[in-house]
Amino acid sequence: AQKITQTQPGMFVQEKEAVTLDCTYDTSDQSYGLFWYKQPSSGEMIFLIYQGSYDEQNATEGRYSLNFQKARKSANLVISASQLGDSAMYFCAMREGGKLIFGQGTELSVKP
Amino acid sequence: NAGVTQTPKFRILKIGQSMTLQCTQDMNHNYMYWYRQDPGMGLKLIYYSVGAGITDKGEVPNGYNVSRSTTEDFPLRLELAAPSQTSVYFCASSYAGGNGYTFGSGTRLTVV
Repeated sequence: AQKITQTQPGMFVQEKEAVTLDCTYDTSDQSYGLFWYKQPSSGEMIFLIYQGSYDEQNATEGRYSLNFQKARKSANLVISASQLGDSAMYFCAMREGGKLIFGQGTELSVKP
Repeated sequence: NAGVTQTPKFRILKIGQSMTLQCTQDMNHNYMYWYRQDPGMGLKLIYYSVGAGITDKGEVPNGYNVSRSTTEDFPLRLELAAPSQTSVYFCASSYAGGNGYTFGSGTRLTVV
């Protein structure tokens, strides 16, 4: 069974608009962490945002926020005011025990 | 401060050859990871290590071996290379339970 599921293979958004990238996860652990990474066409992995399972507030980092719904096991990434440079692959990941497991990714394209 | 260094950056192997992908980190991280990323896909965990002398299998360990004799180094060994091992390989490291993972720049491996 998939531990991390990203159901949107590709997304389009107009420049300056907001976009939500979906992520659901599956774990029986009480302590875990959720991450979002950006991978541009150059290939490097860029950390965006982190949410701990015990954090009560949704994480925010600049234009990025994480909509954490623990009961639904979802950790959606919201990008506000999209920019052309946001076009990239986006990966949701979960730290469970000693492992960091990734989802399949969502390719985001920002249109001018 | 070099972070996570992977060598080589590119390699072409013939079927049946073997090679070692090198990974070194200078941050005194105790956790280290090897991932492979096939085109258009997410990162799949091959092996990970929670400290020197300790290694464990990830999601896709078949065809690979690892060792962790020091905190700094975590080499990945491919024996009898197969075309299915054509991929981009990423090494990463972190502190135990931390929320910061540092990734190397990747090794692009082609098996022909």
